[in-house]
Amino acid sequence: GQQVMQIPQYQHVQEGEDFTTYCNSSTTLSNIQWYKQRPGGHPVFLIQLVKSGEVKKQKRLTFQFGEAKKNSSLHITATQTTDVGTYFCAPKGTSYDKVIFGPGTSLSVIP
Amino acid sequence: KAGVTQTPRYLIKTRGQQVTLSCSPISGHRSVSWYQQTPGQGLQFLFEYFSETQRNKGNFPGRFSGRQFSNSRSEMNVSTLELGDSALYLCASSGGRAPGTNTPEQFFGPGTRLTVL
Repeated sequence: GQQVMQIPQYQHVQEGEDFTTYCNSSTTLSNIQWYKQRPGGHPVFLIQLVKSGEVKKQKRLTFQFGEAKKNSSLHITATQTTDVGTYFCAPKGTSYDKVIFGPGTSLSVIP
Repeated sequence: KAGVTQTPRYLIKTRGQQVTLSCSPISGHRSVSWYQQTPGQGLQFLFEYFSETQRNKGNFPGRFSGRQFSNSRSEMNVSTLELGDSALYLCASSGGRAPGTNTPEQFFGPGTRLTVL
């Protein structure tokens, strides 16, 4: 079956530093979504990537889909305390319908 | 538009009991998915319902079951509760259809926190 990894599992950064989390799949993906879950909250949709090599930006967040459609990254420039939370990738394979979630990367921002 | 609602928000049960959790999706959404979230296992997919039919199922034992009603509201049931079933159970709704290779965005409810003693 499909294996999904996210690295790192945890990341502590000083406010103002950059942050990157990576999502890697063992199989080729149809698309990938990213969600953010604040402490005590529920996951909230951030973005979806569909095309090979696609790059999308949302203010300080940059999302990238790999050329082979097997990996993706989320980069945050100049982190703020509002970025605290767990970032999940939700890759969808080409051969199955259900959406599964990666294990997540937990981000802490030190003011 | 009202968001996804889940009831109850908190629940305490003892081993061996059964529990039913309820989820009301966003109006117009026909797809409802259920997830179990624990600190050690992350977000684990339980099942997805679309128009009253189970469309996908995760790798959980048969003690976990669900159903969806004609108004798209969904319930999940866990029988013979075990200590390891203590978790946050999240429900997510989506429109169920998306163009091309897109996957519909999922809207999550606040979850039901189940504690099994």
